[in-house]
Amino acid sequence: DVKVTQSSRYLVKRTGEKVFLECVQDMDHENMFWYRQDPGLGLRLIYFSYDVKMKEKGDIPEGYSVSREKKERFSLILESASTNQTSMYLCASSWGDRGDYGYTFGSGTRLTVV
Amino acid sequence: QKEVEQDPGPLSVPEGAIVSLNCTYSNSAFQYFMWYRQYSRKGPELLMYTYSSGNKEDGRFTAQVDKSSKYISLFIRDSQPSDSATYLCAMSTGNKLTFGGGTRVLVKP
Repeated sequence: DVKVTQSSRYLVKRTGEKVFLECVQDMDHENMFWYRQDPGLGLRLIYFSYDVKMKEKGDIPEGYSVSREKKERFSLILESASTNQTSMYLCASSWGDRGDYGYTFGSGTRLTVV
Repeated sequence: QKEVEQDPGPLSVPEGAIVSLNCTYSNSAFQYFMWYRQYSRKGPELLMYTYSSGNKEDGRFTAQVDKSSKYISLFIRDSQPSDSATYLCAMSTGNKLTFGGGTRVLVKP
């Protein structure tokens, strides 16, 4: 069964900490994405990557960075965590340049910043 | 105005009823249309996708796309309590999806 695996289901971090969220996919997908999901705001795209070492800003990149050193791994970094970054973070992957193949999502990381 | 609008619900129906969900959108360039199901504390999973206007059926699920009206629908027949979830529509012009906010559905036994 193909999978997108997010390293942590729940995280609690302190304000100002540097936070790393890891995502690994085993489907050889080219494209990987990081979203955050908040009640009333839906899914919002933070960053995405179409290839190794490539990254593009999504709709809400401020306060975040990403790293993709290997095809299967896409990391989201919160440079200095703040309470407004408390959210559910979802990683997804897809292949090719055709949107109809859809995304495969991980189970999410619920991050609380205190 | 959001590119994709979806009523947040909740939509509560008795078991066995037809669930009707819909989304409207403003970007006429969208070509691919999808529905995702998300259970509580889980990531979304792809349920159905369509490319063109018309209907697509898969078991108890039917997806409809009306590009002229910029309107898509998902119907769930013979709904079950296990269908209780949040349903998100999504659409794209290529490989980046734009999601609706999701509709929470409750199917009561």
